[in-house]
Amino acid sequence: EVQLVESGGGLVQPGGCLRLSCVASGFTFSSDWMHWVRQVPGKGLEWVSRIKSDGSETNYADSVKGRFTISRDNAENTLYLQMNSLRADDTAVYYCTRVKTYFDYWGQGTLVTVSS
Amino acid sequence: QSALTQPASVSGSPGQSITISCTGTSSDVGGYNYVSWYQQHPGKVPKLIIYDVSNRPSGVSNRFSGSKSGNTASLTISGLQTEDEADYYCSSYTTSRTLGYVFGTGTKVTVL
Repeated sequence: EVQLVESGGGLVQPGGCLRLSCVASGFTFSSDWMHWVRQVPGKGLEWVSRIKSDGSETNYADSVKGRFTISRDNAENTLYLQMNSLRADDTAVYYCTRVKTYFDYWGQGTLVTVSS
Repeated sequence: QSALTQPASVSGSPGQSITISCTGTSSDVGGYNYVSWYQQHPGKVPKLIIYDVSNRPSGVSNRFSGSKSGNTASLTISGLQTEDEADYYCSSYTTSRTLGYVFGTGTKVTVL
């Protein structure tokens, strides 16, 4: 059974930083692109970032480029999202997802709240 | 990246068919057959219901079907049931501004 378990969310002040983690199991983590998607509570889905299976390629949405860094540790089956210079509009539930050409498995999400 | 355009809401009576549109550009929906659709009930995680324009994952009802014409993709729900009341999102691979994915604005389906 595929499982994606996120952690690391919480309350942080504007300008602060946070690192999200996602531990994967039930599939060959090192073979797949992994993505982060976020959703403001009550609002729509927004794609955030992706990383290639071997970590050699990364891409970011314009809204987070230069502030967020995606990475992975294939030995630990773990995906990360380092979030710096956080703003109020980064407040959202962050989902870790496995992607083929579609988002087939999603974690339960971790809530990040940016507020003073 | 600009979100793909979906109608904010669509409604129908039980047993009817409804269609949700998803309009993008030649850099996303029109350029690639990597359109997927997701169903999200309140407080739940999005669930994949259509991938690569018109394919259904195992276990998804055949009442859900997808298609694409030009820069617009569509999701049709036939034989509408009360449990279909949810939010629906389309998504597409995109090469606009960055390589990645883009989601639609979302559509609230109400079963009358």
